[in-house]
Amino acid sequence: GAGVSQSPSNKVTEKGKDVELRCDPISGHTALYWYRQSLGQGLEFLIYFQGNSAPDKSGLPSDRFSAERTGGSVSTLTIQRTQQEDSAVYLCASSLPSGGGVETQYFGPGTRLLVL
Amino acid sequence: AQSVAQPEDQVNVAEGNPLTVKCTYSVSGNPYLFWYVQYPNRGLQFLLKYITGDNLVKGSYGFEAEFNKSQTSFHLKKPSALVSDSALYFCAVRDPLTGGGNKLTFGTGTQLKVEL
Repeated sequence: GAGVSQSPSNKVTEKGKDVELRCDPISGHTALYWYRQSLGQGLEFLIYFQGNSAPDKSGLPSDRFSAERTGGSVSTLTIQRTQQEDSAVYLCASSLPSGGGVETQYFGPGTRLLVL
Repeated sequence: AQSVAQPEDQVNVAEGNPLTVKCTYSVSGNPYLFWYVQYPNRGLQFLLKYITGDNLVKGSYGFEAEFNKSQTSFHLKKPSALVSDSALYFCAVRDPLTGGGNKLTFGTGTQLKVEL
């Protein structure tokens, strides 16, 4: 079946502009995660959605970052007033519902963001 | 807090030789451990995981990993390396005793290079 898809695959923007990154999870996966992969920081957790529960936003680096998940499926990560340090690969993952964290997270190909 | 260490930035091995990619972890309770592989310009692909049970876990592409609780390690191994195994490998951990969702904490990654 189809895996996790993300769009766009690449995004170049100017400092100060807003960007939106999209993630389509695997069908039937109610858990959705955003991570950021950057040279200096490695792979960092950003935010986690599970069904209708309040999202875990503990990894968002600043209030310029926000995410939403509409209809329990597609998610959008928004970065406002982008800064050069936001340049990274943004990875989305999804998994089956898991109260204990045993479910495997499956990753999309990522969106490579470059802020000039 | 949960953490993962991958002590080697790069591992070089000749094709046909056994390979080992090291991972150690720190958690409060019994860990859930994962290995992922990343090929250039691709997302992370799941290889294997340890949740409970047999300490030796077998995964995709002939890889296996051994959970060693006394040494807090989860090294990735393969009996005979292939050039196509050359990629970036990530170890990840989740501590089921911590609250706040199912986020994974990743190591910094180990670049595996298999040469002819």
